[in-house]
Amino acid sequence: QKEVEQDPGPLSVPEGAIVSLNCTYSNSAFQYFMWYRQYSRKGPELLMYTYSSGNKEDGRFTAQVDKSSKYISLFIRDSQPSDSATYLCAMSGSTDKLIFGTGTRLQVFP
Amino acid sequence: KAGVTQTPRYLIKTRGQQVTLSCSPISGHRSVSWYQQTPGQGLQFLFEYFSETQRNKGNFPGRFSGRQFSNSRSEMNVSTLELGDSALYLCASRVGPSSYNSPLHFGNGTRLTVT
Repeated sequence: QKEVEQDPGPLSVPEGAIVSLNCTYSNSAFQYFMWYRQYSRKGPELLMYTYSSGNKEDGRFTAQVDKSSKYISLFIRDSQPSDSATYLCAMSGSTDKLIFGTGTRLQVFP
Repeated sequence: KAGVTQTPRYLIKTRGQQVTLSCSPISGHRSVSWYQQTPGQGLQFLFEYFSETQRNKGNFPGRFSGRQFSNSRSEMNVSTLELGDSALYLCASRVGPSSYNSPLHFGNGTRLTVT
């Protein structure tokens, strides 16, 4: 079993929809949680960073962490075609080594 | 502020050769990490350097090595290249060695093709 599980998709939604992306993890030592967005032929770009349970909002993006269920989510409101990319969850604990999910490919169509 | 810079962007090498990839971190960042990204395995951690010392190492063979210089710039080397080494190699930097309030910022990678 992988430490971090993420549905690879692809996820296809119409413009304006609310998108929900999720990851589950098995290592209870994970304390820091991140979401990255990766466009084709580019490196991952940091979207959200949090180290506590609960919600964190930044513009159209909301990151949610539930440590008791070992489950994290990223919500994208009013999705745009420019949001079409691969979304990667990542997390780390005391070793500071970042472990990534495999990524979810998102397609937002006009 | 300039982001993480990786050179070269693309490389084509032959099996058995060796290759050196270069990374310049964001100014002020002293920790540099390297990742390998492939379609089948996703992002896999190679190693991390902080203040010229290797702090963490992933599960890669000894053919993969790296180093960090006093100006925080880093290089990674792969010797005796194999076809399976074809991948996108990503460098990332952060301010310090801890993830606390210091997330990783990535460069756009070096695409290595081994023929």
